[in-house]
Amino acid sequence: AQSVTQLDSQVPVFEEAPVELRCNYSSSVSVYLFWYVQYPNQGLQLLLKYLSGSTLVKGINGFEAEFNKSQTSFHLRKPSVHISDTAEYFCAVYSVSGAQKLVFGQGTRLTINP
Amino acid sequence: NAGVTQTPKFRILKIGQSMTLQCTQDMNHNYMYWYRQDPGMGLKLIYYSVGAGITDKGEVPNGYNVSRSTTEDFPLRLELAAPSQTSVYFCASGTSGNHNEQFFGPGTRLTVL
Repeated sequence: AQSVTQLDSQVPVFEEAPVELRCNYSSSVSVYLFWYVQYPNQGLQLLLKYLSGSTLVKGINGFEAEFNKSQTSFHLRKPSVHISDTAEYFCAVYSVSGAQKLVFGQGTRLTINP
Repeated sequence: NAGVTQTPKFRILKIGQSMTLQCTQDMNHNYMYWYRQDPGMGLKLIYYSVGAGITDKGEVPNGYNVSRSTTEDFPLRLELAAPSQTSVYFCASGTSGNHNEQFFGPGTRLTVL
């Protein structure tokens, strides 16, 4: 069975600083990987996804993530954050040959300070 | 397209009461899901469906029931509400043909007192 670990429950950063949100997964089969963002009092929306091909994927709002198969990681990065990036971020994994469902990490709350 | 809609947005129940959380999607997705979100716990899958007439248990199904009579609707039923069911509930839909990318509704915040 697959699992996802988000290594930081909370990440505070200053505006315009870079940020990295860490995600590790475990799975015995090939996976698709996702990052979702949840703004306060809203549902989740897709930020970016890795399916195959280039290990560096770009998403909305200037975010990008790098798939590292050897380290089973899929860390999310942004070079310069804005106040509006304050949200909770969820990493999720889907096993290609497994059950038809996503497994989510516990979430990382990103707080941007002015 | 409205996407995934959920009703109600908020609800307070007394212990032992029952209710149905409604979920509708207009994207013709075959897959639909119910999650609950508790602080610091991420999202836990309650039930899911891969098509009309087909449902299956997720990680935390106890105390809940679902049905899928149409492609569009996937209601979640709580028969005997308990304080442990206080949570935010999210419905999502997706397709097997899109690598399981899921689209989420705005959520229902349920409190059981």
